[in-house]
Amino acid sequence: AQSVSQHNHHVILSEAASLELGCNYSYGGTVNLFWYVQYPGQHLQLLLKYFSGDPLVKGIKGFEAEFIKSKFSFNLRKPSVQWSDTAEYFCAVNAKYSSASKIIFGSGTRLSIRP
Amino acid sequence: KAGVTQTPRYLIKTRGQQVTLSCSPISGHRSVSWYQQTPGQGLQFLFEYFSETQRNKGNFPGRFSGRQFSNSRSEMNVSTLELGDSALYLCASSSTAPGQGVVDTQYFGPGTRLTVL
Repeated sequence: AQSVSQHNHHVILSEAASLELGCNYSYGGTVNLFWYVQYPGQHLQLLLKYFSGDPLVKGIKGFEAEFIKSKFSFNLRKPSVQWSDTAEYFCAVNAKYSSASKIIFGSGTRLSIRP
Repeated sequence: KAGVTQTPRYLIKTRGQQVTLSCSPISGHRSVSWYQQTPGQGLQFLFEYFSETQRNKGNFPGRFSGRQFSNSRSEMNVSTLELGDSALYLCASSSTAPGQGVVDTQYFGPGTRLTVL
């Protein structure tokens, strides 16, 4: 069965600090990988996704993630965070070759940025 | 294109009642999935519909059901509500078509916040 682990439940950073949120997944087949973000009071938005090709994926708002197949990881990074990045971040995976779109989400990481 | 829309945005019900939530997918998307989001359990998959057929189901009791109409709009129903059903219910749509073999991105609506008293 697929599973996703996000080891950091709550991360607190100061503005301009660098960010790395960990994500590891468990699945025996080929996967699609996603990072979604949920800003306070807003709905889930797609931050970036990896389907194939270059394992370094760039998303919106300066975020990027690197797929390391050998480590089953898809960590999210941003070189310099802003107060507006305060949100909850979810790593997610689904089976690439499947008849279903079902996504398995990690438990989420709450990011708080100190002004 | 308009995004995924969900109605109503907020609902308050009492234990034992039933509730119906509605979701309209992005135009052209025929796959609709439902998720439950709670502080304790996070985001959990409920079920997925494509062409009016349920394609996949999560680990929820039979009180949770859904359906999809010919225009791809979907409804979710919860009968005999329990306090633990209080949650944000999210709908997501995708252009994924079963049988094509490759799964596409899911786009989420704003959710319906259900409170059971």
